Amino acid sequence: GAGVSQSPSNKVTEKGKDVELRCDPISGHTALYWYRQSLGQGLEFLIYFQGNSAPDKSGLPSDRFSAERTGGSVSTLTIQRTQQEDSAVYLCASSAAGGPYNEQFFGPGTRLTVL
Amino acid sequence: GQQLNQSPQSMFIQEGEDVSMNCTSSSIFNTWLWYKQDPGEGPVLLIALYKAGELTSNGRLTAQFGITRKDSFLNISASIPSDVGIYFCAGPLGGGKLIFGQGTELSVKP
Repeated sequence: GAGVSQSPSNKVTEKGKDVELRCDPISGHTALYWYRQSLGQGLEFLIYFQGNSAPDKSGLPSDRFSAERTGGSVSTLTIQRTQQEDSAVYLCASSAAGGPYNEQFFGPGTRLTVL
Repeated sequence: GQQLNQSPQSMFIQEGEDVSMNCTSSSIFNTWLWYKQDPGEGPVLLIALYKAGELTSNGRLTAQFGITRKDSFLNISASIPSDVGIYFCAGPLGGGKLIFGQGTELSVKP
């Protein structure tokens, strides 16, 4: 009964490089979410996938950010041409369904540091 | 846009003391959620509230859904060292998305 897993747990990169962050949701969960947590802040919604529907990208901060979800399971968040302000913990969550509210289960996050 | 404001931002208490924290919103929510985040981990749901005025307990934790639907409170009784962490309130934005408060960081001195 694995929970949500994310990799890598830590990523250090140089400004201007691209990074890919991976999320493996709980098996059978149809909804998947990405959040960003900056130091000392709450979680900021980035993007939401629900089944085969078009993703809700309304939280992505710039066009350097993109995400995909393959086969309705694993998701990859890509940040192109990273900037120092992208440094944060990126959290993934999944839930059994979308809709008004279904409990979201979070992974441990990927801590991204852009030098 | 919508905002959730949590207070206090941080608390330093002695083991055994009770703790109170609250969350206020600029708009009405139909659901209030309280999460706890341990260092290096993702948030874990503690309590979900679905009805104005509702008071719900989970062990030593008690949370209330404010009558105005614009606020919620979380109380922890007889704190212990493992209560250390960051507590977040959250509410649904619609379409499954959540908005989170800035968090209350709790430190417990044995």
